[in-house]
Amino acid sequence: QKEVEQDPGPLSVPEGAIVSLNCTYSNSAFQYFMWYRQYSRKGPELLMYTYSSGNKEDGRFTAQVDKSSKYISLFIRDSQPSDSATYLCAIITGANNLFFGTGTRLTVIP
Amino acid sequence: GAGVSQTPSNKVTEKGKYVELRCDPISGHTALYWYRQSLGQGPEFLIYFQGTGAADDSGLPNDRFFAVRPEGSVSTLKIQRTERGDSAVYLCASSSTGTYVQYFGPGTRLTVT
Repeated sequence: QKEVEQDPGPLSVPEGAIVSLNCTYSNSAFQYFMWYRQYSRKGPELLMYTYSSGNKEDGRFTAQVDKSSKYISLFIRDSQPSDSATYLCAIITGANNLFFGTGTRLTVIP
Repeated sequence: GAGVSQTPSNKVTEKGKYVELRCDPISGHTALYWYRQSLGQGPEFLIYFQGTGAADDSGLPNDRFFAVRPEGSVSTLKIQRTERGDSAVYLCASSSTGTYVQYFGPGTRLTVT
């Protein structure tokens, strides 16, 4: 079983839709939860991170963590064509190396 | 300020050859990480440096892979006797002391023919 599971998609939505991206994890020792965005042929770019259960909002993006279910989500409101990218969840223990999901490829259609 | 830089951006080599991939982290970042990303997959951890020393090299797949960071800044990932299965994007990341946030470079796309 992989440490982090993520549906690879692909996911296509019309512009303006609400997007929900999800990951599950197996190790309850995981402490920090991150979402990265990766455009084609670029390195991952940090979007958001959190360390506690609950919601964290930043503009059109909301990160949600449920430690009891080992489930994390990223919501994108009012999605834009520029949001088209691969979204990677990443989780870390105190050991500092990140465990990534496979990434979900998102396309927002104008 | 400048982000993490990696050179070369692309490297094509023949099976059996030796390659070196370079990473220049964000200035002042003490921690440096190497990851490998295969097509359609998320990055997989290879090695982590704190300063000059390798704090965790548990992700290196075998002894053909080696990395150094002699002065605690620039790092080089070295791959001996390359195999076609080594073809991937090699990503470098850095972070500052006391944080878990890692900033990634653009990667080096390695193709072994």
